[in-house]
Formats: sequence, structure tokens, C-alpha cells
Amino acid sequence: DAMVIQNPRYQVTQFGKPVTLSCSQTLNHNVMYWYQQKSSQAPKLLFHYYDKDFNNEADTPDNFQSRRPNTSFCFLDIRSPGLGDAAMYLCATSRTGDAYEQYFGPGTRLTVT
Amino acid sequence: DAKTTQPTSMDCAEGRAANLPCNHSTISGNEYVYWYRQIHSQGPQYIIHGLKNNETNEMASLIITEDRKSSTLILPHATLRDTAVYYCIVRVRDNYGQNFVFGPGTRLSVLP
Repeated sequence: DAMVIQNPRYQVTQFGKPVTLSCSQTLNHNVMYWYQQKSSQAPKLLFHYYDKDFNNEADTPDNFQSRRPNTSFCFLDIRSPGLGDAAMYLCATSRTGDAYEQYFGPGTRLTVT
Repeated sequence: DAKTTQPTSMDCAEGRAANLPCNHSTISGNEYVYWYRQIHSQGPQYIIHGLKNNETNEMASLIITEDRKSSTLILPHATLRDTAVYYCIVRVRDNYGQNFVFGPGTRLSVLP
């Protein structure tokens, strides 16, 4: 019963070539998150959507954009990937409220050549 | 900045209890303590959370000190599949719910 689905699991892109990662959910959660996790580091929040309201973390580079066309889907767009953007990208969802946990997808591992 | 400190790594013998400590001395009154784990090459997995009282579920127990400045995650009978990085997170609240700031976590190795 996949709940948070990320496609593809592995993505290779060229330096400077735009790339889009996708996330979908079957939980009907109204909050969706994107995290970046570099090798041997903890996940770092990039931004999140509360319904259609977009919330960017202060230190997220402009190179990273996101779209959420409906409740179920959310996309991460990297406009001009650099070698330093190679990482695991994790999507997560949650309901709002004080104590609801986040449900993570399996992640997409991005390689930049 | 992460608001928690955890040991970098711990070992535990298979079948024994694993006790993972976390310090969160600056926790606010309305902030919860969450524990997640991440098995290699997978997304983080929710384990348990608590506010003041000790909590138990099918995966683990969470013991929070009375002053709430520290907590301990207990895996009662660790198995090899519990080998993972364990993250203790204090939830930073915004208007919409929860923004998680992950610290470096504790790498737990369960040994046969």
C-alpha cells in the first residue's frame, strides 16, 4: 500500500539541464514537504505546501522551485542543476495540527554529471 | 540550527534493549519530541512522539524527563533490522503545523 510515491527512484541529469522530480500521495494530506539529503547528512527542509500555500525556507536556493497542481501531486523543479545538487530528495506529507507525524516517500536519488 | 543533541553512534546486542538518549534543553512548552529512523537508502520512518508523558507503541517507548530537557527512546528487543540512523526532533511550529529540523542523529548498529 504505497502512500507516498516518488518517481523516478533514480535520476541522472547533466550539469545545467533542468530536471523535475515528482511526488504523489494517497493519504489526502493537505501538507506536502520537500527535503534534500546529501550523503551522510540529515534531511534538510527545502519548502512545503499547506494546501496551495507555498512556504519557502529562507536558505533554499532560487534554483529550486516547486509546483502543487492538486492535493495528490507535488513537483520539485531544479532549473539549472549543479554538481552540488546531487543528493537524495525526499517528499513527505502530513495533516495539520499539533502532533501529526510526517510520512516520507522512498526518495529520488539525483546524480548530476 | 537543530535543537537537539544525540550521540553520534551506538552499538546494541541483538535481543537486548537499545536506549537512545536525546538532549533538548531549550524545548518550549508547546513543542513535541518526535523520533524518526532512517534505514539505509530509505525515507525516514516515524517511530513515536510525546509532549510530557511517557509514550509506548508497538515499535518503541519514549521516556521524557519531568523537566522535558531530555528524552530516551527505548527499543525493547533490538533486532538486526533496527540498524538505522535515529533522529530526535523537536518540532518547530509555524502557522501551518510542523517544520522538522533534523539533527545529525544517532547511528545505531545492532550486532548479532
